[in-house]
Amino acid sequence: DGGITQSPKYLFRKEGQNVTLSCEQNLNHDAMYWYRQDPGQGLRLIYYSQIVNDFQKGDIAEGYSVSREKKESFPLTVTSAQKNPTAFYLCASSDGTFVSGANVLTFGAGSRLTVL
Amino acid sequence: GQQVMQIPQYQHVQEGEDFTTYCNSSTTLSNIQWYKQRPGGHPVFLIQLVKSGEVKKQKRLTFQFGEAKKNSSLHITATQTTDVGTYFCAGPGTPLVFGKGTRLSVIA
Repeated sequence: DGGITQSPKYLFRKEGQNVTLSCEQNLNHDAMYWYRQDPGQGLRLIYYSQIVNDFQKGDIAEGYSVSREKKESFPLTVTSAQKNPTAFYLCASSDGTFVSGANVLTFGAGSRLTVL
Repeated sequence: GQQVMQIPQYQHVQEGEDFTTYCNSSTTLSNIQWYKQRPGGHPVFLIQLVKSGEVKKQKRLTFQFGEAKKNSSLHITATQTTDVGTYFCAGPGTPLVFGKGTRLSVIA
């Protein structure tokens, strides 16, 4: 079945450590996204990528980094510079029909990061 | 930039009551999408509306797109406990512009 796989599902980290969240999709989608969700809150965009080797900052990119070396992979690194990293992180992809703006997002199951 | 405002933020209903969430934009939207996120889960695409005045139904869910294409609503008839979750609307953009969501609680 096609879909998006995020790992790990749960992650605990000590303050000052960098962590990398994995996101892999086999939907052959061009565009991929990272969102952060805090308890009871909406979706805030961290980074997105429309094509391999290119990505753009979202609304809350500070303290995060990404790479897009392969079409199917879009890992997110939460750096020690991120002040409040404890959150639920969601990866998504779309076929990227940005011309019409009609791109539908498929989300992964999420990674829940807790900083101890 | 474009924003979509979603109300209410929270809604608590008795099982069997109806529920409606509204999504409003100050600009005309080419389309609008709706997603549902169950507690502890991830958002799942429900539907996309494109035409002015469009109404689409999915069982007990009715989705409407306003005549001016600046607002949309999701109405659930006779809510059930399986309807619990957060409903997000999303306007077009690069990338999509999500509303903050309406969290629905259903009291059995």
